[in-house]
Amino acid sequence: GIQVEQSPPDLILQEGANSTLRCNFSDSVNNLQWFHQNPWGQLINLFYIPSGTKQNGRLSATTVATERYSLLYISSSQTTDSGVYFCAVEGRNRDDKIIFGKGTRLHILP
Amino acid sequence: KAGVTQTPRYLIKTRGQQVTLSCSPISGHRSVSWYQQTPGQGLQFLFEYFSETQRNKGNFPGRFSGRQFSNSRSEMNVSTLELGDSALYLCASSLALAVGELFFGEGSRLTVL
Repeated sequence: GIQVEQSPPDLILQEGANSTLRCNFSDSVNNLQWFHQNPWGQLINLFYIPSGTKQNGRLSATTVATERYSLLYISSSQTTDSGVYFCAVEGRNRDDKIIFGKGTRLHILP
Repeated sequence: KAGVTQTPRYLIKTRGQQVTLSCSPISGHRSVSWYQQTPGQGLQFLFEYFSETQRNKGNFPGRFSGRQFSNSRSEMNVSTLELGDSALYLCASSLALAVGELFFGEGSRLTVL
């Protein structure tokens, strides 16, 4: 099945800094989403982005499907951005399951 | 409109017992999928239902089962609970099978003693 690798595993930044989170996947995908897991465990949708670029406020994401990676950019970080960021992909084969990366744990210091 | 609703939010069971978790999808969504999250294994796909039929299943033992009702609500059941089943169980809904965004509920946190 598809392998999903996220980097870096951990990131500690000062408030106001910018960050780039990466998601590499090993095969072609139909779907790719980025999530932020809040302290209570809920996965909050950030982007549904199987290809192209999207922006939402301080966050933006780019997926280069032909090169099998996606990037999540967070600008002007705030302490509320802390948490774990996951990327999840679904392959193109009928039996492909949804695969999550292991996440990037982001800690923003005040 | 209301989001994905999971019940119960927290529960404690003992080894050997069984548990049933419930998930009500977003109105109009017909696909429901379930995931297990543990510190060691991360987020793992359990199964996906669409139109009351299981369409895909992850690599979990037969003690894990589920079903979907005609109103798209879904339940999952874990029988003969083991300590290792302690986890956050997350449910997601989407409009259709393998199409579009997943929307997650707040999860059911199961502790097995």
